[in-house]
Amino acid sequence: QKEVEQNSGPLSVPEGAIASLNCTYSDRVSQSFFWYRQYSGKSPELIMSIYSNGDKEDGRFTAQLNKASQYVSLLIRDSQPSDSATYLCATTDDKIIFGKGTRLHILP
Amino acid sequence: GAVVSQHPSWVICKSGTSVKIECRSLDFQATTMFWYRQFPKQSLMLMATSNEGSKATYEQGVEKDKFLINHASLTLSTLTVTSAHPEDSSFYICSARDIEAGGPSFTYNEQFFGPGTRLTVL
Repeated sequence: QKEVEQNSGPLSVPEGAIASLNCTYSDRVSQSFFWYRQYSGKSPELIMSIYSNGDKEDGRFTAQLNKASQYVSLLIRDSQPSDSATYLCATTDDKIIFGKGTRLHILP
Repeated sequence: GAVVSQHPSWVICKSGTSVKIECRSLDFQATTMFWYRQFPKQSLMLMATSNEGSKATYEQGVEKDKFLINHASLTLSTLTVTSAHPEDSSFYICSARDIEAGGPSFTYNEQFFGPGTRLTVL
């Protein structure tokens, strides 16, 4: 059974700083990893997918994958209050395996 | 691309009635759809997986006779909550995936979520 572990938070970050969200996973054969953002009362929104070791950047977001360490992270640069949400890390098998999410709070 | 819709966005019903929720993939063919439930301040809980043209696979603890799932076409899945009770009040979310070549999920096998349906049973 694959597992994805995240710190539940809350993680408080000052506006304009870098928010760093971390995730570990249990299955070495996992191939694809995702970061979803979920605002309170809304459904998850896919913000990043990563497949290869290394960094993948998209605007203010950078996903980092280290398969040897079974570790995936999400960096949010120039954090904004609108980034305050729960961030779900996930990997996929025949279905998506989600972590429980990290609550991020950007302090104005 | 990769837009998933749900209808209705919210519904209030009386205890004992049945409620149907629709999930549609608008710009891709969803060979697989998933139904989740989320209670306030809790994680998403996968209820079932449905593949077009076949029976849904339910997660442990989910009553298949209470939560009827139909995936009759490549763009539509429905979840019917039968004989709803107040404890069924929750946020129901569907997601869709298309792993066919050229589809939006082909490279990474992503799922795309609908906006959710908030069910309140009185």
